[in-house]
Amino acid sequence: GAVVSQHPSRVICKSGTSVKIECRSLDFQATTMFWYRQFPKKSLMLMATSNEGSKATYEQGVEKDKFLINHASLTLSTLTVTSAHPEDSSFYICSARDSGGRTGELFFGEGSRLTVL
Amino acid sequence: GEDVEQSLFLSVREGDSSVINCTYTDSSSTYLYWYKQEPGAGLQLLTYIFSNMDMKQDQRLTVLLNKKDKHLSLRIADTQTGDSAIYFCAENQAGTALIFGKGTTLSVSS
Repeated sequence: GAVVSQHPSRVICKSGTSVKIECRSLDFQATTMFWYRQFPKKSLMLMATSNEGSKATYEQGVEKDKFLINHASLTLSTLTVTSAHPEDSSFYICSARDSGGRTGELFFGEGSRLTVL
Repeated sequence: GEDVEQSLFLSVREGDSSVINCTYTDSSSTYLYWYKQEPGAGLQLLTYIFSNMDMKQDQRLTVLLNKKDKHLSLRIADTQTGDSAIYFCAENQAGTALIFGKGTTLSVSS
């Protein structure tokens, strides 16, 4: 089946630094990718919709200058958490839609756990 | 806005059937999904159903959809300890982002 790969799976950083998380679709092209954030014991919250070659669409309450999203190719979207703070510690999950698929099924990455000290 | 609700916990004994329920509010939902998340891991798609279907069966999993009541359920037959995880119900329209419920923690005791 289709695979979405996220890297890194775990990252620990110091407060004030920036962290980049990559989301790759390995065997399909994805014009649209979604970034979710999951707080402990909570559901997944949609942060933004990443569109290849254009600006991301952010959900209400998500700071676009804090969470920079770049979708430069049909197989790669990146999320950069800028000037990270402890409250940004979370599990970030991306999903990608197979542009050539019939059903519009979304495939999810394994997630990236960010811990900000 | 759209909302998806699930009960938070379910505890069953090994070998029993588990039924996880979900309600949603968006009447224009096209697809309804069940995802499984094991501790520290990402999401695994278990199954999905089109909104024009009433039921879908896949090995031990049975999904029932009552579109009139906007109610979705997932039945796991012969539940095993390896089924212990968080199960998320989600819905979307074709090509749009999924809206998730808060997840049901399934605990299976031997």
